[in-house]
Amino acid sequence: AQKVTQAQTEISVVEKEDVTLDCVYETRDTTYYLFWYKQPPSGELVFLIRRNSFDEQNEISGRYSWNFQKSTSSFNFTITASQVVDSAVYFCALSIEAAGNKLTFGGGTRVLVKP
Amino acid sequence: KAGVTQTPRYLIKTRGQQVTLSCSPISGHRSVSWYQQTPGQGLQFLFEYFSETQRNKGNFPGRFSGRQFSNSRSEMNVSTLELGDSALYLCASSLASETNTEAFFGQGTRLTVV
Repeated sequence: AQKVTQAQTEISVVEKEDVTLDCVYETRDTTYYLFWYKQPPSGELVFLIRRNSFDEQNEISGRYSWNFQKSTSSFNFTITASQVVDSAVYFCALSIEAAGNKLTFGGGTRVLVKP
Repeated sequence: KAGVTQTPRYLIKTRGQQVTLSCSPISGHRSVSWYQQTPGQGLQFLFEYFSETQRNKGNFPGRFSGRQFSNSRSEMNVSTLELGDSALYLCASSLASETNTEAFFGQGTRLTVV
């Protein structure tokens, strides 16, 4: 079975600070996919990134960056120079090749950015 | 391009009743998945439909069912509602040609069972 753990339930920062969200996953499958989603107060989950298990290259997209380390089964997410609009709940998720589009989510980390 | 549309947005039902929720995926998307979100259990996968067939199912009782129509629109039904069914139900659509692709979510239907 798959499992995703987000140990931080809530993080509070002041605007312009950097914030890193941790994600640790468990799976016995060798081919799997990792995702990050953002859930603003409106409720819908917004896709941020998808990574497959064979691509350990870190990625940067604007103020967002992701660090994938298979050796520690982690896929961490950093927001650089946070802004108030970054306040939301962030979810890490995992899917395996055999399970179609089924996503196994972590518990989420609520990020509060104060002005 | 229109996003994923879920109706209704809010619903209040009484224990024992049944409810049907609707989801219209993004045009061209043929895979629709449903998730239940509660404060206690988080986001849990209910089922996925592709080309009118259930492709995957989560660990929910048989009271939870779904279907998909030829136009890819999907409905989920919960019968004999219990207080614990109160949740945000999210629908997600994905492209049909691949699996494990990014899912696009609707704003959800918030169901309250009283």
